[in-house]
Amino acid sequence: GEQVEQRPPHLSVREGDSAFITCTYTDPNSYYFFWYKQEPGASLQLLMKVFSSTEINEGQGFTVLLNKKDKRLSLNLTAAHPGDSAAYFCAVRPHDSGYNKLTFGKGTVLLVSP
Amino acid sequence: DMKVTQMPRYLIKRMGENVLLECGQDMSHETMYWYRQDPGLGLQLIYISYDVDSNSEGDIPKGYRVSRKKREHFSLILDSAKTNQTSVYFCASSFRDRVGQNTLYFGAGTRLSVL
Repeated sequence: GEQVEQRPPHLSVREGDSAFITCTYTDPNSYYFFWYKQEPGASLQLLMKVFSSTEINEGQGFTVLLNKKDKRLSLNLTAAHPGDSAAYFCAVRPHDSGYNKLTFGKGTVLLVSP
Repeated sequence: DMKVTQMPRYLIKRMGENVLLECGQDMSHETMYWYRQDPGLGLQLIYISYDVDSNSEGDIPKGYRVSRKKREHFSLILDSAKTNQTSVYFCASSFRDRVGQNTLYFGAGTRLSVL
């Protein structure tokens, strides 16, 4: 089945720096991708969902890149601020999972210091 | 606002006791899920429910069972809880969007400690 590897597991940056998180997946037919943000003690909030035909997706303060050739999904938080401190999870919809199942990465804990 | 509600938020049980975690959603979503989250392991799917009385094992179903008698409610049951079931449990529900894909919306989680 689909394997999703997320790196790095922990990331510390200073306020104003960029924070870059990457997920690699194994199923070349995966076609729907998600990023979730989880603040300490809270639930997972959907950050962005990306369909496989879209390579660059802009959000508020972040960019999601999809490289299908390398099977890589990336989240780049530009000019990070302390409010971005949280755990981030990628999720991938494998081709053979039907419409319902996602495979999650193990998460990245981001700390943004002032 | 889409809302998934979990009860209780915190629970302490002794080994061997039965545990009931409840989840509700007010969006008439067909599909609901139970995940557990452990440090370093991310989210692991326990069970998925496609609708009332239509449940399917996820990746780690052993030691758990589920019940879905109404579309808006999905329960997770631990019969004779074990210490290794100490975890944070998340419920989620999903709907099919305009491109035919399901997006998951999560509840706030239940932190279960089994002593």
